[in-house]
Amino acid sequence: DGGITQSPKYLFRKEGQNVTLSCEQNLNHDAMYWYRQDPGQGLRLIYYSQIVNDFQKGDIAEGYSVSREKKESFPLTVTSAQKNPTAFYLCASSGTSGRYLTDTQYFGPGTRLTVL
Amino acid sequence: QQQVKQSPQSLIVQKGGISIINCAYENTAFDYFPWYQQFPGKGPALLIAIRPDVSEKKEGRFTISFNKSAKQFSLHIMDSQPGDSATYFCAASTSGYSTLTFGKGTMLLVSP
Repeated sequence: DGGITQSPKYLFRKEGQNVTLSCEQNLNHDAMYWYRQDPGQGLRLIYYSQIVNDFQKGDIAEGYSVSREKKESFPLTVTSAQKNPTAFYLCASSGTSGRYLTDTQYFGPGTRLTVL
Repeated sequence: QQQVKQSPQSLIVQKGGISIINCAYENTAFDYFPWYQQFPGKGPALLIAIRPDVSEKKEGRFTISFNKSAKQFSLHIMDSQPGDSATYFCAASTSGYSTLTFGKGTMLLVSP
């Protein structure tokens, strides 16, 4: 089945620890995204990547880092610098046409991170 | 600065009724307007999308109405069913160039 997988579904960490969230896709999409979802806040873009070894900051990148070493994978690290990391994190992907992003984004099932 | 404003925040509709969710945008460069549906604990899924060259798009019970001069678009769910109970997000982008900007979401509850 083609799709996006995120693991784990639930993650608990102690305050001050870095944590890495996994996102893998087998849709052969060039572009991948990370969003943070908080109640009543919609989806806010953390980072996105249009191509391997390249990524751009979104609206709320502070306290987060990403890497894009493979087309299929776009892990997100929530660092200890992120002041309020407890949230639902969503990964998405979309195709590209040349240097342009295509419009439809496909989302994974999400990871709920709780920092104790 | 919020570029896509969505209302209402929550909505309760009786089974068989019409659910209406509205969005307004500011950036006149936006030319792609999707709606996403999200069930609790799941990722959002594309429901329906429209571009400004048409004023309305219908897919089954779901219709997008688009008003370019008012910079507004809305989702209508006809004959609403309990299975439609979910959170709905509108979004907008400049096709090919920008990432999606999402509204804050509307939590819809369809009562049996």
